[in-house]
Amino acid sequence: DAKTTQPTSMDCAEGRAANLPCNHSTISGNEYVYWYRQIHSQGPQYIIHGLKNNETNEMASLIITEDRKSSTLILPHATLRDTAVYYCIVRVAGGTSYGKLTFGQGTILTVHP
Amino acid sequence: DAGVTQSPTHLIKTRGQQVTLRCSPKSGHDTVSWYQQALGQGPQFIFQYYEEEERQRGNFPDRFSGHQFPNYSSELNVNALLLGDSALYLCASSTRTGHTEAFFGQGTRLTVV
Repeated sequence: DAKTTQPTSMDCAEGRAANLPCNHSTISGNEYVYWYRQIHSQGPQYIIHGLKNNETNEMASLIITEDRKSSTLILPHATLRDTAVYYCIVRVAGGTSYGKLTFGQGTILTVHP
Repeated sequence: DAGVTQSPTHLIKTRGQQVTLRCSPKSGHDTVSWYQQALGQGPQFIFQYYEEEERQRGNFPDRFSGHQFPNYSSELNVNALLLGDSALYLCASSTRTGHTEAFFGQGTRLTVV
């Protein structure tokens, strides 16, 4: 799996958009970008994933650059409950690879009132 | 659907002892993966089970072993506990077919004294 680089921490005001960047310059053509988050003392939670097109679901949007070397997770209206560690993971999708995730240090997002 | 359930939630063991942690996967999932998360670190993959056999393994010693039962539930066993084994142990379930993401349990907090 390709290596990812994320900022150690970020702050965001409640109600504003939170934009979390991730660099994955060694990503391969068959690797997807996945985002998970981990709220304190809980297990990681899947947020979203994408291959090369931008993706949106009820939780967030994922913007992947055209060269696929970086991406941004967008939480459009951050709330205090979005305070968590956010992990960007790059991996091949399919089969048993779903269960094996390589976590980095992630980004600690703190949402302020 | 109860999701992924793990037991116990907290555990204190003495160095040198053995411990067994348990995981019930989400309904419809047949694959279980175990992770160790030390304080302040991202989760680290230990191993993965499906069809009652260990299929993939991370960089963990043989003191870490597991089992999967016919109902897909799983156990993680750690022998000869070291102080460094103190961590949050997470179980994730997924499927080998289809495109479901890994769902994590709340984890078991193991403290070795």
